[in-house]
Amino acid sequence: GESVGLHLPTLSVQEGDNSIINCAYSNSASDYFIWYKQESGKGPQFIIDIRSNMDKRQGQRVTVLLNKTVKHLSLQIAATQPGDSAVYFCAENSDTDKLIFGTGTRLQVFP
Amino acid sequence: DAGVIQSPRHEVTEMGQEVTLRCKPISGHNSLFWYRQTMMRGLELLIYFNNNVPIDDSGMPEDRFSAKMPNASFSTLKIQPSEPRDSAVYFCASSQNRGDQPQHFGDGTRLSIL
Repeated sequence: GESVGLHLPTLSVQEGDNSIINCAYSNSASDYFIWYKQESGKGPQFIIDIRSNMDKRQGQRVTVLLNKTVKHLSLQIAATQPGDSAVYFCAENSDTDKLIFGTGTRLQVFP
Repeated sequence: DAGVIQSPRHEVTEMGQEVTLRCKPISGHNSLFWYRQTMMRGLELLIYFNNNVPIDDSGMPEDRFSAKMPNASFSTLKIQPSEPRDSAVYFCASSQNRGDQPQHFGDGTRLSIL
């Protein structure tokens, strides 16, 4: 039979533009959230995290926004570069030890 | 700084054979996690340890899978006997303390069972 894999949503952006990757999380009790970047052939790489007592946190070229009311998390990448091309995962802390990962979004950067 | 180190990076073996995957966590991290990633199911948590003690193995697919952490700097994931459906990328991750610290991943072992 035909196998069906996970369908990763894809965001295509032009180099230099800003990217916004969205994530809906599942547990209203989650209090810690992380964004990871995964390049081909590599493991997920930590980008930025945020705790539930904050609604915004900035890093180098990246900003994470948290809206607890609608259980929404977003990652903004400023001045997107070809090296930003990867799959991006959000993860939420569902209890004191485990993280629950989203299915991921593929970011494609074109010249 | 050394990150999480996994070996081997690639493993190809015939079904029925025993497979052992190895992981060295980041020094000072006391939580260790084993994940499996496939196109069909994405990233799945198999088992995690805290202070070398298995805490939750509910993600381990079946009795063919086992994991050990004999000390703070080494863990193994064993599959015996292996089956073609075990083919996947297996990741190890480690973190400090508990779930409010980021997990740091190794580059994985790509396992192919023929």
